[in-house]
Amino acid sequence: QTVVTQEPSLTVSPGGTVTLTCASSTGAVTSGYYPNWFQQKPGQAPRALIYSTSNKHSWTPARFSGSLLGGKAALTLSRVQPEDEAEYYCLLYYGGAWVFGGGTKLTVL
Amino acid sequence: QITLKESGPTLVKPTQTLTLTCTFSGFSLSTSGLGVGWIRQPPGKALEWLALIYWDDDKRYSPSLKSRLTITKDTSKNQVVLTMTNMDPVDTATYYCAHSVSVAGTARLDYWGQGTLVTVSS
Repeated sequence: QTVVTQEPSLTVSPGGTVTLTCASSTGAVTSGYYPNWFQQKPGQAPRALIYSTSNKHSWTPARFSGSLLGGKAALTLSRVQPEDEAEYYCLLYYGGAWVFGGGTKLTVL
Repeated sequence: QITLKESGPTLVKPTQTLTLTCTFSGFSLSTSGLGVGWIRQPPGKALEWLALIYWDDDKRYSPSLKSRLTITKDTSKNQVVLTMTNMDPVDTATYYCAHSVSVAGTARLDYWGQGTLVTVSS
């Protein structure tokens, strides 16, 4: 069974920069996994942020960016705002099926 | 403007079959490259991808749940239906549907419904 792994939790200071990663149990994550990233706040549906590694949706703030880093998909938040405190999920494509990561709880403190 | 909304029972008994409907607007599932997927989230836990149906009726399922899931579409009604058999209390979750696009070397889930909480209990 394929497992997608994310950091369980991270803490960042307001105005700082943080990178969340997404690893696959099958090996290095490449663009062919079409990494997607989502933000979810308590009581809300997930909101899409990034698709196909680094593409932003029209509503994605400029401070969010996606990339591939060291064999993993990565989501970088720059100039972090208090409202960025949330759970973040990555989603990877495995030739027909998608698999979510376990999520990263980002605390802004 | 794309919107999706899930509907179905809020309570099902163990061993029963769950039927959920996703009613959407703002796009047609007859358009090449489009799809609708289902995702669930148990209380306090992570998201889990369940199934996706494409414009051409191609269907994909989570390997771990494939034997229990069926996804269908009614293009004329702008609806996608997910059935899950043999429900168990561990299937208690919020179930979401989402709009999917697979075109020009990209793939994404972008617009999501608000979700519907399904509780499995006798």
